Amino acid sequence: KAGVTQTPRYLIKTRGQQVTLSCSPISGHRSVSWYQQTPGQGLQFLFEYFSETQRNKGNFPGRFSGRQFSNSRSEMNVSTLELGDSALYLCASSLGGRINEQFFGPGTRLTVL
Amino acid sequence: KQEVTQIPAALSVPEGENLVLNCSFTDSAIYNLQWFRQDPGKGLTSLLLIQSSQREQTSGRLNASLDKSSGRSTLYIAASQPGDSATYLCAVSTQGGSEKLVFGKGMKLTVNP
Repeated sequence: KAGVTQTPRYLIKTRGQQVTLSCSPISGHRSVSWYQQTPGQGLQFLFEYFSETQRNKGNFPGRFSGRQFSNSRSEMNVSTLELGDSALYLCASSLGGRINEQFFGPGTRLTVL
Repeated sequence: KQEVTQIPAALSVPEGENLVLNCSFTDSAIYNLQWFRQDPGKGLTSLLLIQSSQREQTSGRLNASLDKSSGRSTLYIAASQPGDSATYLCAVSTQGGSEKLVFGKGMKLTVNP
């Protein structure tokens, strides 16, 4: 069974631009969560989608948004990029049921210049 | 607010040692606890998940225990090998039905040949 995939793996953008990251969950998984990882703050929860609905949201500004499609694939968008948005963005998927074991993708490394 | 702490932040040991990695959390009302490993620049690999009703889980040379009342978990690595070198993170889920994980900052393990 294929794991969680994320595209692109690397991105370089400039301040003010916007970016869209994509995540394909493990087949059969209905929940997709997004995390931001930085050296200073560690891993921080962005949001979670389950059956195309946002089920939980972290403490990030409205510039960070996401969505989930009917096939469970998810995208996250960051608008008006700032230097501080440079990070590794990780996507995780799970069945969304009681066990809730989460499986992570390789991440997208975003660099904002 | 749930906080997860991992001390020490780094550990360097010779090959063959048995290791104990510590994780503590402030709110004992957790749903489950998951241990991950992360290799440099990569995503997270799930090692073990312990549900709140369980006391421990084992996988190969790894054994994780959970003491909810004291807010602690330990990951035991038997007969460490250089390939075990990575950052180990623990994370707790505090909402049943939600996938949000709260992570510790991780412990960087180096196993020297």
